[in-house]
Amino acid sequence: NAGVTQTPKFQVLKTGQSMTLQCAQDMNHNSMYWYRQDPGMGLRLIYYSASEGTTDKGEVPNGYNVSRLNKREFSLRLESAAPSQTSVYFCASRSQGVNSPLHFGNGTRLTVT
Amino acid sequence: RKEVEQDPGPFNVPEGATVAFNCTYSNSASQSFFWYRQDCRKEPKLLMSVYSSGNEDGRFTAQLNRASQYISLLIRDSKLSDSATYLCVLRGSTLGRLYFGRGTQLTVWP
Repeated sequence: NAGVTQTPKFQVLKTGQSMTLQCAQDMNHNSMYWYRQDPGMGLRLIYYSASEGTTDKGEVPNGYNVSRLNKREFSLRLESAAPSQTSVYFCASRSQGVNSPLHFGNGTRLTVT
Repeated sequence: RKEVEQDPGPFNVPEGATVAFNCTYSNSASQSFFWYRQDCRKEPKLLMSVYSSGNEDGRFTAQLNRASQYISLLIRDSKLSDSATYLCVLRGSTLGRLYFGRGTQLTVWP
């Protein structure tokens, strides 16, 4: 059981380049999330998808777009990368129960130069 | 005021010590609570959920105090392998949003 799978694990971009971070879960979860984690800032929600076909902005959505391709997959796109987007990105999913916890992917370490 | 406030530490304790972390929250309607553990450069992993009556899992005890709006994590008989950052997480009442504390760093030394 793979859980939540993120690709790539590492990426270096130049300012202005674009890229898509991929995330897939095999736990049949309805909700999926994208977070970024920066030193001293904790985890901040970028976008989330409560169910297939819906997406909503989190705390820090500017500069990002998302696609909930199907129930399994939730991708995060940076259209024009900026150095401020250098961060560790985590995808997560959870089922619908009130007490159901988040399951995280391994993370993507992105550096924008 | 932030949804979740957590003492960042660091906490440095010897093996065998008992250590406790608190986490306060601002929204009294928060519905569910968790403690996660995060090792350096790894993803957060669920340590335990926090139930209203308090719950224990081996050396770990979690408690919820709704009146004072805080949750706590107690680690007994600390091991070197307990060294990590501990995140408190709560689920709000609005759209089920999850809110993270910034984490408390624990180092257990021999």
